[in-house]
Amino acid sequence: DTAVSQTPKYLVTQMGNDKSIKCEQNLGHDTMYWYKQDSKKFLKIMFSYNNKELIINETVPNRFSPKSPDKAHLNLHINSLELGDSAVYFCASSQDLTEKTQYFGPGTRLLVL
Amino acid sequence: KNQVEQSPQSLIILEGKNCTLQCNYTVSPFSNLRWYKQDTGRGPVSLTIMTFSENTKSNGRYTATLDADTKQSSLHITASQLSDSASYICVVSPNNNAGNMLTFGGGTRLMVKP
Repeated sequence: DTAVSQTPKYLVTQMGNDKSIKCEQNLGHDTMYWYKQDSKKFLKIMFSYNNKELIINETVPNRFSPKSPDKAHLNLHINSLELGDSAVYFCASSQDLTEKTQYFGPGTRLLVL
Repeated sequence: KNQVEQSPQSLIILEGKNCTLQCNYTVSPFSNLRWYKQDTGRGPVSLTIMTFSENTKSNGRYTATLDADTKQSSLHITASQLSDSASYICVVSPNNNAGNMLTFGGGTRLMVKP
């Protein structure tokens, strides 16, 4: 069974478009995260959600907005896509904010043309 | 600025050989250090987590060491297998909140050849 799943796996779109990436975890975890992995493979945290509340926002542009309909889902909406948004986006979850082990999804590869 | 630096950037070894990957960090205060394995096209998977007081932790053929005084960690892989080919990422947490302010290294890309 897939613990953390993301859709779509690949996303190719034009500059200026609005797109969404979905994430679901079936682990019963309270905390979910969104990460961005750039071309140099550095992972940077974008958001974390604990019990549907936004905990941190690492100075991410407000074109990015996380939305959590329930604690098993954390979707990422991106408005007015820019070339620099091209990256791999990973969703992750952990039991709670103090639990050190995070479980990552397979990633969504976004390419903005 | 909190930083995590890994070396080497890439490494090629023959199947069956051992190797050691290095991680130096400047994160302070320090809570815990994690090693992740990331296969190509997949998300990272946790290998080990060490707190400030732990010096070594093993997970099968993977052994991580930590020297909190010198702010260095290493990941030793014994009797490498082809499936060990992946990127290995060192991650440091500055406080007890797991999701807060994690600092990721750039990873070491390991290739194991037959």
